[in-house]
Amino acid sequence: DAGVIQSPRHEVTEMGQEVTLRCKPISGHNSLFWYRQTMMRGLELLIYFNNNVPIDDSGMPEDRFSAKMPNASFSTLKIQPSEPRDSAVYFCASSSTGRVTDTQYFGPGTRLTVL
Amino acid sequence: QQPVQSPQAVILREGEDAVINCSSSKALYSVHWYRQKHGEAPVFLMILLKGGEQKGHEKISASFNEKKQQSSLYLTASQLSYSGTYFCGTEVSGGGADGLTFGKGTHLIIQP
Repeated sequence: DAGVIQSPRHEVTEMGQEVTLRCKPISGHNSLFWYRQTMMRGLELLIYFNNNVPIDDSGMPEDRFSAKMPNASFSTLKIQPSEPRDSAVYFCASSSTGRVTDTQYFGPGTRLTVL
Repeated sequence: QQPVQSPQAVILREGEDAVINCSSSKALYSVHWYRQKHGEAPVFLMILLKGGEQKGHEKISASFNEKKQQSSLYLTASQLSYSGTYFCGTEVSGGGADGLTFGKGTHLIIQP
């Protein structure tokens, strides 16, 4: 199995630009999670989906952030407009069922730098 | 609320033992342990469910005391490959309605 796939691996953009991060979960997994990792705040859950439906988006920092999961094999996290404080590593993870107690498999992450 | 991990960092010689603690102010349903190496994604180690169970994987084991809302990760006879940052992730509800809340991590350095 290829594991969770994220793209791009690195993104450098200027403040005010739109940024789209992409994730392909492990085939057959029903749950998908987006995390953000910074030195200051550690690993934070932004949003998670179960069977393509957003279950908990309370971690999304503000309206500039949006996430979609149009089908079982693809999700996007969009930041519009981006700000320097959005610079972080964004991880996508998937698990086989909707229960949080299942193992979450993380993708390699996207390192975002907003100048 | 974010669980508190201690210590923040520890340096060991190869072969020594380490204990990493994770405490929460909320009643926990499950605790998840992950290890992350520099520049890589977190990798799952184990999950402990409400009930005070203890689990082990090779020389890494963990316990979960639900009364104290605390979990500990034990690394025995540490190897160089154990170096990395260890995170605990906690789940409160048990109903699958919440995601995991991770601690800030414990940096473990194993020296030869």
